[in-house]
Amino acid sequence: GDSVTQMEGPVTLSEEAFLTINCTYTATGYPSLFWYVQYPGEGLQLLLKATKADDKGSNKGFEATYRKETTSFHLEKGSVQVSDSAVYFCALKNAGGTSYGKLTFGQGTILTVHP
Amino acid sequence: DGGITQSPKYLFRKEGQNVTLSCEQNLNHDAMYWYRQDPGQGLRLIYYSQIVNDFQKGDIAEGYSVSREKKESFPLTVTSAQKNPTAFYLCASSGQGSTDTQYFGPGTRLTVL
Repeated sequence: GDSVTQMEGPVTLSEEAFLTINCTYTATGYPSLFWYVQYPGEGLQLLLKATKADDKGSNKGFEATYRKETTSFHLEKGSVQVSDSAVYFCALKNAGGTSYGKLTFGQGTILTVHP
Repeated sequence: DGGITQSPKYLFRKEGQNVTLSCEQNLNHDAMYWYRQDPGQGLRLIYYSQIVNDFQKGDIAEGYSVSREKKESFPLTVTSAQKNPTAFYLCASSGQGSTDTQYFGPGTRLTVL
């Protein structure tokens, strides 16, 4: 079945540092890939997405490129802020077979940014 | 504003009681979903519905039930058969397209006393 693996956290950075959160996936067919962010006590917000190979999703300074050859969708940001402290989830959506519409999530990565 | 609402935000239940969590959306989405989130874990799918009057079990449906009588509403009942119901419950909705984004509500935190 489909699966998503994220780098283990927590990740602690100083403000203005470079961020990478690794995400790799296993899926049949051609899934869409997503990054969601969750602030304490809240639901998930879509951060960015990519729907086909070599697509780059970007939003609020965050970027991720859909790499089919390495089955990866790593999240990057050039300069993090304290306000970026949150939990980040990588997810895939596979339209094929019995998994239509279902999102498969990684376990989440906690990011803490210090001033 | 369009969005998804969940109520209540916090819910306390005694063992042996059934409780119902509300989820309403005004995004005109056909598909709706319920996920469970436990500390340090990703989200796991409980039930989903692609159209009114139809729903399917997800990965962890045991001890839960749902109904989909209206397009905008997808309530989740946590029954007394659910052995470990304390968790954060998230409702989501999306269009029917294969690349459509799922949008999430603010969540309900259920605690069993």
